[in-house]
Amino acid sequence: SAVISQKPSRDICQRGTSLTIQCQVDSQVTMMFWYRQQPGQSLTLIATANQGSEATYESGFVIDKFPISRPNLTFSTLTVSNMSPEDSSIYLCSLGPPYQPQHFGDGTRLSIL
Amino acid sequence: AQRVTQPEKLLSVFKGAPVELKCNYSYSGSPELFWYVQYSRQRLQLLLRHISRESIKGFTADLNKGETSFHLKKPFAQEEDSAMYYCALDNYGQNFVFGPGTRLSVLP
Repeated sequence: SAVISQKPSRDICQRGTSLTIQCQVDSQVTMMFWYRQQPGQSLTLIATANQGSEATYESGFVIDKFPISRPNLTFSTLTVSNMSPEDSSIYLCSLGPPYQPQHFGDGTRLSIL
Repeated sequence: AQRVTQPEKLLSVFKGAPVELKCNYSYSGSPELFWYVQYSRQRLQLLLRHISRESIKGFTADLNKGETSFHLKKPFAQEEDSAMYYCALDNYGQNFVFGPGTRLSVLP
């Protein structure tokens, strides 16, 4: 298995600001995913972070709002831009192949005032 | 489209009673299904996967392709089983599709 380190674990942000969440893995992973878990809801996939190419976004999520970087096979960032209270959620990164089933980070609990 | 449903948002049972958390799916192909559990303020963690056919913490789940179901069962619920349970479908070996979750509350 792999060890996932996700930072920050939580943050409280002002409306209109942006926050970058980091996901570090202790081994190389082909695919990393970013999920959102809104209060009382299930997990929804935001995008797949691909090393060396642009992230693949799911319906309802756009790059301008959630830019993603994947500079190498052990690291990815998700930025939540121009935040509003509706963005208050837990954001989770997870590992895809070769790690199956998916491993999840601890998540980042984000609150927007 | 791939979809996972969990009809019960909340399920309350008494300690020692049997529990069944329902999960149905729609998927074109040979599905691979999982149950994840999230205890209060803890990380989402894998509980079991159908292909391993094992029992974890007394829980079992059988894939029924005819009924497209993967219900999670435990014969005698314990208070420490109280948590959110998510059924998930492996989407062609890439991302996962999660059900809406069922909150299990085991009463003393």
